[in-house]
Amino acid sequence: DTTVKQNPRYKLARVGKPVNLICSQTMNHDTMYWYQKKPNQAPKLLLFYYDKILNREADTFEKFQSSRPNNSFCSLYIGSAGLEYSAMYLCASSRDRGGDQDTQYFGPGTRLLVL
Amino acid sequence: GDSVTQTEGQVALSEEDFLTIHCNYSASGYPALFWYVQYPGEGPQFLFRASRDKEKGSSRGFEATYNKEATSFHLQKASVQESDSAVYYCALSPSNTDKVVFGTGTRLQVSP
Repeated sequence: DTTVKQNPRYKLARVGKPVNLICSQTMNHDTMYWYQKKPNQAPKLLLFYYDKILNREADTFEKFQSSRPNNSFCSLYIGSAGLEYSAMYLCASSRDRGGDQDTQYFGPGTRLLVL
Repeated sequence: GDSVTQTEGQVALSEEDFLTIHCNYSASGYPALFWYVQYPGEGPQFLFRASRDKEKGSSRGFEATYNKEATSFHLQKASVQESDSAVYYCALSPSNTDKVVFGTGTRLQVSP
């Protein structure tokens, strides 16, 4: 089973309110990623966990938090949503550290709309 | 920084047409190059990769050849089908890094 699952598939949030997105995989992959995808833009890496180690991109460091309570689950947390957070959020996993020798498996995404 | 450029935002073809989607990259050394495909309602799926100059990657009738001199990795298929309608992403991963950098994607629409 190479499925990555994301919940919810659609999320409506109010400006200033928190948002929590969930991702799960049962492939026992070491690395899990979160990307943000806006129309006509490339998927943008927000952060990734290699095992229990969180790596956040410099330009999104303060905007997103994440947790990985076990190998299978990973969350993406927005403390106070702004209009600019409206986007598709894609979760992915890879067996090892990812990058040039690895393959990423993506979930179907969560479409977040902030009003 | 490292980047991927896909010049076509959308491509419209008829069944059995020849497909080319252009991908150029900017990165030092020999990054790994990838193509991913995203069908409606799904996440991107790995199609294939190439890691060395002149290496050809292929899958499901699609192919692309790593061209270091031209810094390109163009996707081609000899005869497209309606079921190939999807968004195609070119991507790269610099050597010895954990990250993948994606292009903006090309939406392919194939008419019967």
